[in-house]
Amino acid sequence: EDQVTQSPEALRLQEGESSSLNCSYTVSGLRGLFWYRQDPGKGPEFLFTLYSAGEEKEKERLKATLTKKESFLHITAPKPEDSATYLCAVSLNSGGSNYKLTFGKGTLLTVNP
Amino acid sequence: ETGVTQTPRHLVMGMTNKKSLKCEQHLGHNAMYWYKQSAKKPLELMFVYNFKEQTENNSVPSRFSPECPNSSHLFLHLHTLQPEDSALYLCASSQPGQGYGYTFGSGTRLTVV
Repeated sequence: EDQVTQSPEALRLQEGESSSLNCSYTVSGLRGLFWYRQDPGKGPEFLFTLYSAGEEKEKERLKATLTKKESFLHITAPKPEDSATYLCAVSLNSGGSNYKLTFGKGTLLTVNP
Repeated sequence: ETGVTQTPRHLVMGMTNKKSLKCEQHLGHNAMYWYKQSAKKPLELMFVYNFKEQTENNSVPSRFSPECPNSSHLFLHLHTLQPEDSALYLCASSQPGQGYGYTFGSGTRLTVV
């Protein structure tokens, strides 16, 4: 069964303390891996798409990397406004022109000033 | 504003009521989705519509009835719900091949009393 596991469930950092979130997946036919950010009471907001092992993408203090079995979201010198739930999702080669996203449970990040 | 608008933002309904959730997108996307988000659980895919045709029903109880009159609008009709149906209901849209996954709405927070 296809599965997406995120760790840790919750992470508390001090402002400026860098760290990484993990997303491991056991799927066949990976089409892409997605990172989203979700603020309380809002829908997920797209951050990155990664397609192949070795790929990296950056946006401000965030950097996403991908291997054949997992992805990391690195947060460098975080600020309180980076506090949110970070969701990982995978899309599969389902044979059609559209695709489904399978999500992990997310990591709740809290950055204290 | 994400480009996907959901109404209402909050809904409280009794178990014998009938209500509808509405989703609208003007991004020109051809696929629309309903997801359910409950505490401590991953987002659960409910329905997928591709060019107005339902292409997936993820074993959703019949008390949830989707409707997609055109590629821009999606409804979720609710009747005889149970308290365990209380959750955040998220609508999303996508355009195949563009690589940024889904664009989500802000969701409808549903409480069944």
